[in-house]
Amino acid sequence: AQSVTQLGSHVSVSEGALVLLRCNYSSSVPPYLFWYVQYPNQGLQLLLKYTTGATLVKGINGFEAEFKKSETSFHLTKPSAHMSDAAEYFCAVTPVNSGGYQKVTFGTGTKLQVIP
Amino acid sequence: NAGVTQTPKFQVLKTGQSMTLQCAQDMNHEYMSWYRQDPGMGLRLIHYSVGAGITDQGEVPNGYNVSRSTTEDFPLRLLSAAPSQTSVYFCASSYRGSSYNSPLHFGNGTRLTVT
Repeated sequence: AQSVTQLGSHVSVSEGALVLLRCNYSSSVPPYLFWYVQYPNQGLQLLLKYTTGATLVKGINGFEAEFKKSETSFHLTKPSAHMSDAAEYFCAVTPVNSGGYQKVTFGTGTKLQVIP
Repeated sequence: NAGVTQTPKFQVLKTGQSMTLQCAQDMNHEYMSWYRQDPGMGLRLIHYSVGAGITDQGEVPNGYNVSRSTTEDFPLRLLSAAPSQTSVYFCASSYRGSSYNSPLHFGNGTRLTVT
């Protein structure tokens, strides 16, 4: 069974500082990988996804993530935090062979606080 | 383009009452699903559907019922509400495709409190 671990339920950074949110997956075969963002009182929206090909994936709002198979990781980064980045971020995985349905497993989420 | 629409936004129930959470999407997506979000637990799948007339259980299906008579609509029924069902509920849809890597599109959620 696949699982997703997000280290740190809360992360605080200063405005302009590097954002690093960690995600590790556990499955025998590398899955499809996603990052979603949730702003207060809203649903989740896709930031970026990795399926195949280039391991460095660029998403919206200046975020990017790198798939590292050897480390089973898919960490999310942004070079310079903005106040508007304050939100909760979820890592999610889908096995490549879902058996007919896209079985998405979510991590427990990381709340990002940006300090002015 | 409305995307995924959930109603109501807020609901308070007494223990034992029943209700239906509505979900509609206008993107002609084959897949639809219901998740509940609880603090520190991420999102957990309740029920899902791969097309009209086809539904199946997810990770936490007990106490919930679903049906899918059309592509657009996927209501979630609480049969007899319990305080443990206090949560935020999200409906999501996605395109099926052939590789199962289409992103989920979420509604804005229904915040349910059971007293």
